[in-house]
Amino acid sequence: DAKTTQPPSMDCAEGRAANLPCNHSTISGNEYVYWYRQIHSQGPQYIIHGLKNNETNEMASLIITEDRKSSTLILPHATLRDTAVYYCIVRELTGNQFYFGTGTSLTVIP
Amino acid sequence: EAGVAQSPRYKIIEKRQSVAFWCNPISGHATLYWYQQILGQGPKLLIQFQNNGVVDDSQLPKDRFSAERLKGVDSTLKIQPAKLEDSAVYLCASSKGLAGADTQYFGPGTRLTVL
Repeated sequence: DAKTTQPPSMDCAEGRAANLPCNHSTISGNEYVYWYRQIHSQGPQYIIHGLKNNETNEMASLIITEDRKSSTLILPHATLRDTAVYYCIVRELTGNQFYFGTGTSLTVIP
Repeated sequence: EAGVAQSPRYKIIEKRQSVAFWCNPISGHATLYWYQQILGQGPKLLIQFQNNGVVDDSQLPKDRFSAERLKGVDSTLKIQPAKLEDSAVYLCASSKGLAGADTQYFGPGTRLTVL
């Protein structure tokens, strides 16, 4: 079962930052937080992951709270191509499965 | 590098027929996953291989679904006989290993419609 809670949908104006929240209140110390997105009719695409520290790459930034019970994915300058379903996933260090929930459907509005 | 390849992209069959899907993972990736994604839901893991061995098939409906990865590279997922509720997108993913920090890379999926 998914261990995360995400809002079902969000809108964001093109060019603005999109902040996607995720609650994972039962996360344990050896679990990573992963973010994937799925554009319509495509397979999920890896975005970013982290354990404790905030992370940034060319696609996004991941902010993890100090207690690790929640995180936020930030797309700094959303474009229309960022319209997708975004999944927040927690995964054990030694675990195998990714438990996908229903994700957040982000719509970037022109 | 080339991504995960899947074929066919679309398949329409009638219930009780058989169907097979093929996946070729990223070169050098030891672990291969098959997921089922029903419309409006997130992907659900069906089976996981490491090289040619099964690591986890606890969610695979074994009475009708089977999968193999004989040479530890490409893989085939089969459904026999298909039911209406098997209509879904079947996604293949691969990763270098099993460690928690390993990223899974997904193919485009095969959309199955069972009539």
